[in-house]
Amino acid sequence: EAGVVQSPRYKIIEKKQPVAFWCNPISGHNTLYWYLQNLGQGPELLIRYENEEAVDDSQLPKDRFSAERLKGVDSTLKIQPAELGDSAVYLCASSEGLAGAQETQYFGPGTRLLVL
Amino acid sequence: DQQVKQNSPSLSVQEGRISILNCDYTNSMFDYFLWYKKYPAEGPTFLISISSIKDKNEDGRFTVFLNKSAKHLSLHIVPSQPGDSAVYFCAASARAGGTSYGKLTFGQGTILTVHP
Repeated sequence: EAGVVQSPRYKIIEKKQPVAFWCNPISGHNTLYWYLQNLGQGPELLIRYENEEAVDDSQLPKDRFSAERLKGVDSTLKIQPAELGDSAVYLCASSEGLAGAQETQYFGPGTRLLVL
Repeated sequence: DQQVKQNSPSLSVQEGRISILNCDYTNSMFDYFLWYKKYPAEGPTFLISISSIKDKNEDGRFTVFLNKSAKHLSLHIVPSQPGDSAVYFCAASARAGGTSYGKLTFGQGTILTVHP
């Protein structure tokens, strides 16, 4: 069974440029998560989708970050414009059911972003 | 506030011996705990989990212990192998409402090195 797929794996951009990350969750998984991981830290949630609905985006910096999961399957996370402090690893995860259960989240390989 | 803490940034053990990784939490609403392993340039890989209704869960060489009164969990790896060398993250989630609902809260990680 295929795991969570993310692309690109690496991205280098100049500050103020836009960037987008794509995620395809495990087939049949209803809940999709975007996490941010800074160097030396654990991942932190940016946004959680249950099917196509964003049910928790409280940690998403909405002035420059946006996300969508239009058909309840794959998802895109966008930053516009990127800042130097956005350099980090962006992880996508998915889980089978809805967040009310004790669900295990499965992570993709991440996209490593470097903003110059 | 750091609700999940891994106070040991690194741990070094000899092959064949036991590795013990520790994790403390402060949020009494957490009721599901997980350990993830992460190799460089990869996403976190799920290892083992435990529900708050249990105090121990085993899976092969991996055992997780939960002490709810102390708000402490640990991961035991016996016997340790060089391939276990990675960063280990503990994570917690809460089914009930509040800011920890529906997401994983991670510790900072512990770098485990197993020497041949």
